[in-house]
Amino acid sequence: QKEVEQNSGPLSVPEGAIASLNCTYSDRGSQSFFWYRQYSGKSPELIMSIYSNGDKEDGRFTAQLNKASQYVSLLIRDSQPSDSATYLCAVNILNTGNQFYFGTGTSLTVIP
Amino acid sequence: GAGVSQSPRYKVAKRGQDVALRCDPISGHVSLFWYQQALGQGPEFLTYFQNEAQLDKSGLPSDRFFAERPEGSVSTLKIQRTQQEDSAVYLCASSLGGTGDFPYEQYFGPGTRLTVT
Repeated sequence: QKEVEQNSGPLSVPEGAIASLNCTYSDRGSQSFFWYRQYSGKSPELIMSIYSNGDKEDGRFTAQLNKASQYVSLLIRDSQPSDSATYLCAVNILNTGNQFYFGTGTSLTVIP
Repeated sequence: GAGVSQSPRYKVAKRGQDVALRCDPISGHVSLFWYQQALGQGPEFLTYFQNEAQLDKSGLPSDRFFAERPEGSVSTLKIQRTQQEDSAVYLCASSLGGTGDFPYEQYFGPGTRLTVT
């Protein structure tokens, strides 16, 4: 079982809608959670980090963490065509060093 | 300031050749990571440096892979006797904190796309 699971998609939403991206993780020692955006042919770009249960908002992005359910999500409000990309969830697990474990990513398409 | 840089951006190697991939992290970043990303997959951890010390190399797939960071700044990932299965994008990331610090965000370079023919 992989440490981090994501629905590969593709997920399609109309422009202006809310896109919801989900990620589950298996290790209860996971302590830090990150969302990256990766455009085709480019490297991952950090969007947000979240460390505590609850919501964290940054502009149009909201990360939600529920450690009891081992679940982290990313909401993108007012989705734009430029948000079309693959979104990677990453976790750091306590006592396994500073490496990140990544999911396979969810492909998002925002339709104009 | 400048981000993480990597060179070359693209590398084509014949099977059996040795290659060297370079990473220049963000100035002042203590930690440096190498990841391998296959098509359609998320990055997979290869190795981790804190300053010049290689603290974790558990992700290196074989003894053909070797990494160093001799002065605690620039790092080189070397692959000896390349095989077709080594074809992937090799990503370098750097982070401000080190072991024992709360995990800091990692910032990625543009990657090196290695194709072994």
